[in-house]
Amino acid sequence: DAMVIQNPRYQVTQFGKPVTLSCSQTLNHNVMYWYQQKSSQAPKLLFHYYDKDFNNEADTPDNFQSRRPNTSFCFLDIRSPGLGDAAMYLCATSRDLGVGDEKLFFGSGTQLSVL
Amino acid sequence: AQRVTQPEKLLSVFKGAPVELKCNYSYSGSPELFWYVQYSRQRLQLLLRHISRESIKGFTADLNKGETSFHLKKPFAQEEDSAMYYCALLEGSNYKLTFGKGTLLTVNP
Repeated sequence: DAMVIQNPRYQVTQFGKPVTLSCSQTLNHNVMYWYQQKSSQAPKLLFHYYDKDFNNEADTPDNFQSRRPNTSFCFLDIRSPGLGDAAMYLCATSRDLGVGDEKLFFGSGTQLSVL
Repeated sequence: AQRVTQPEKLLSVFKGAPVELKCNYSYSGSPELFWYVQYSRQRLQLLLRHISRESIKGFTADLNKGETSFHLKKPFAQEEDSAMYYCALLEGSNYKLTFGKGTLLTVNP
């Protein structure tokens, strides 16, 4: 049973056209993360939500925003996608932040293409 | 600065052979390290964590602070072990997980 669900699996957008990726979870976890993974590179953390608290990584471009309207859903908004934003976007959750809660549960990812 | 290094992008072994996937880290504090695995067409998932000192699917990993390594080992590889393996480091107080670039393991029959 899928516990972290990302839709769609593949997303195509045009250069400069805003796009939103979605993630939902059935685990009732407090923390939700967005990772960007480019080809042959490590997954890179963009930001995370601890409950409603948003935590942005220092090197995440302003072009990337996120919303978490409730515990179950988290969205990644790319305001003006560039060619360099083509990547796999991974959503993950963890029960909490702290010792013993480090295990991440990942979604299947959304592969974003920018034309 | 790169905190997690997986020097081998690709690793190919034969079934029944021992396998070791290398991971080195750079971290000034007390590290917490993990191995994540991604099988073909499946999601990334936790394989094991060093604090648990566990063996999952025959894999073990020992933290060597002197060598700053956390290599993943299995004495007898199986074909179903073929997957992408990521070493990850949890950074202290901000609980940020940093991944290595991954090693693609192929176990040949």
